[in-house]
Amino acid sequence: DAMVIQNPRYQVTQFGKPVTLSCSQTLNHNVMYWYQQKSSQAPKLLFHYYDKDFNNEADTPDNFQSRRPNTSFCFLDIRSPGLGDAAMYLCATSLRTGITLNTEAFFGQGTRLTVV
Amino acid sequence: AQRVTQPEKLLSVFKGAPVELKCNYSYSGSPELFWYVQYSRQRLQLLLRHISRESIKGFTADLNKGETSFHLKKPFAQEEDSAMYYCALRGYGQNFVFGPGTRLSVLP
Repeated sequence: DAMVIQNPRYQVTQFGKPVTLSCSQTLNHNVMYWYQQKSSQAPKLLFHYYDKDFNNEADTPDNFQSRRPNTSFCFLDIRSPGLGDAAMYLCATSLRTGITLNTEAFFGQGTRLTVV
Repeated sequence: AQRVTQPEKLLSVFKGAPVELKCNYSYSGSPELFWYVQYSRQRLQLLLRHISRESIKGFTADLNKGETSFHLKKPFAQEEDSAMYYCALRGYGQNFVFGPGTRLSVLP
């Protein structure tokens, strides 16, 4: 009965080779987030979608892109992974009504990305 | 700027002892504060939120706007409380900002 599902759990990619991480949700939430978490650090927000509206954080590198083809799915694309991009990537969802977020953030189990 | 700090990376206590995990924040408006917990090999999940003013698994947290703190407390720690705890703030843009986390280890 997992509500936010991330695939794969572990991903190994080569330096410079594009990689895509996926996230799906069964909660019908209109907000989806991608966080990057490096070892012993706080999860850092990369960007989020409110419905189809994409909101990029100011310090998110251009190397990171995202797609949300429908309510249920959201993808994180890393165009040219570097060694510094190795991290845990967390997807989360929340429900927003107007300008108010009604719920907390619900997280997936994360994808651990290794760059070789 | 919105920021969350958790001064302790690791906190070890004995079973039955009181525990307090510290959280301080900086935010110019009225934030909403949360505590998230991550047990071993599990996803990050909500423990409690300040607006609910509830006790979950024996944990409570009070928002102190004067001290800009939201410390998490439990009077008698249990071994199953061992986990990673993250304090989070929801502020500008309705996004969640997380602290670096405190690993709680409850010793038998």
